[in-house]
Amino acid sequence: DAGVIQSPRHEVTEMGQEVTLRCKPISGHDYLFWYRQTMMQGLELLVYFNNKAVMDDSGMPKDRFSAKMPNASFSTLKIQPSEPRDSAVYFCASSLGPSNTEAFFGQGTRLTVV
Amino acid sequence: AQSVTQPDIHITVSEGASLELRCNYSYGATPYLFWYVQSPGQGLQLLLKYFSGDTLVQGIKGFEAEFKRSQSSFNLRKPSVHWSDAAEYFCAVGAQGGSYIPTFGRGTSLIVHP
Repeated sequence: DAGVIQSPRHEVTEMGQEVTLRCKPISGHDYLFWYRQTMMQGLELLVYFNNKAVMDDSGMPKDRFSAKMPNASFSTLKIQPSEPRDSAVYFCASSLGPSNTEAFFGQGTRLTVV
Repeated sequence: AQSVTQPDIHITVSEGASLELRCNYSYGATPYLFWYVQSPGQGLQLLLKYFSGDTLVQGIKGFEAEFKRSQSSFNLRKPSVHWSDAAEYFCAVGAQGGSYIPTFGRGTSLIVHP
């Protein structure tokens, strides 16, 4: 398996624009996580899915962020409208679940909002 | 809710010296514990994990960690550091039972001097 695949690797956008980050988890993994990494906050869990259903999105700003998993092999994280404070590296991770299995991370998407 | 503390933001060691990175967790029951490494521009890679049993866990790249319940700690060690070990190291805790939300520490940046 190629591992968790994220696209794009880098994204530069202007404030107010819509941004869509994409993730393909490892085949057969039931859990999918979206994390945001910044210098100030470290790694923050934004949302996670189990079998395509949102289990917890309490870490995600609901007014501008939305996460979807339309099928078992694809997830998106959308930001609309984007703001400079959204600049960060966004990681997608997947795992077999439940708690005693490791999460496999993608290489991340570096988002810069100017 | 569980939490993780990595007291050291930066650690500097000389190549060939021994290493210990500290991790303290807070959780009401026996946790699942992980150490991840992140090289620049990359995602997180699992070094080792503890679920149960032997409290001394061996991982990849010559790393080991010891679970000490009495101290709520899971420190990472390596007897002889190589220059290629320079990276960011993250301790993480997963909860047994209930929903699975892996929680990460803020990370420790390891600098290796030649």
